[in-house]
Amino acid sequence: EVQLVQSGAEVKKPGESLKISCKGSGYSFTNYWIGWVRQMPGKGLEWMGIIYPGDSDTRYSPSFQGQVTISADKSISTAYLQWSSLQASDTAMFYCARLGDGETPIPYYYFYPMDVWGQGTTVTVSS
Amino acid sequence: EIVLTQSPGTLSLSPGERATLSCRASQSVSSSYLAWYQQKPGQAPRLLIYGASSRATGIPDRFSGSGSGTDFTLTISRLEPEDFAVYYCQQYGSSQTFGPGTKVDIK
Repeated sequence: EVQLVQSGAEVKKPGESLKISCKGSGYSFTNYWIGWVRQMPGKGLEWMGIIYPGDSDTRYSPSFQGQVTISADKSISTAYLQWSSLQASDTAMFYCARLGDGETPIPYYYFYPMDVWGQGTTVTVSS
Repeated sequence: EIVLTQSPGTLSLSPGERATLSCRASQSVSSSYLAWYQQKPGQAPRLLIYGASSRATGIPDRFSGSGSGTDFTLTISRLEPEDFAVYYCQQYGSSQTFGPGTKVDIK
């Protein structure tokens, strides 16, 4: 079964750092881009960026460039989203998702929808 | 950045009725790289339609997508109780962006 399993909920204070994870299984992790999506409480979906675990090529939304860091460790089929200094406005649900359409992907091609999603990680930042 | 607008914001319908959801892009979406997702409360989004009109694996045929260029439509031919949810469009042809969503609720 193809799945993405995310790390558990986090409660942090402003100024703290955080790294959340997304572990893939049931498919060739290095051959599919992984994306991250933010959903603030009661709001819509926001695309943050993507990473190609095969070589860690990364693309960011202009809205999130410099605010977060996306990384991956292909040896353990895991992608990460991290903050160096959290703010209260980072309180949200974060989803990882695989970019694909059910077919074998073209290497390095990222014009795909998000076909497999993690269960989400809630991040709460409060003093 | 391509901006997506969805209408209506909320659609109130009864089970068995037809739902028509609209997604308009600020500029042409290349190669019809337009997807639709369904999200229910407390759940992750689920891919319904990609390439503007292709159904994802396991999606019932009451869901259909159409359109090209800047105007796209998701149609649910006969609403089932489990279809009441929020629907998002997404373009993935120029970076990626999501629309603000349309909530389909029970009338």
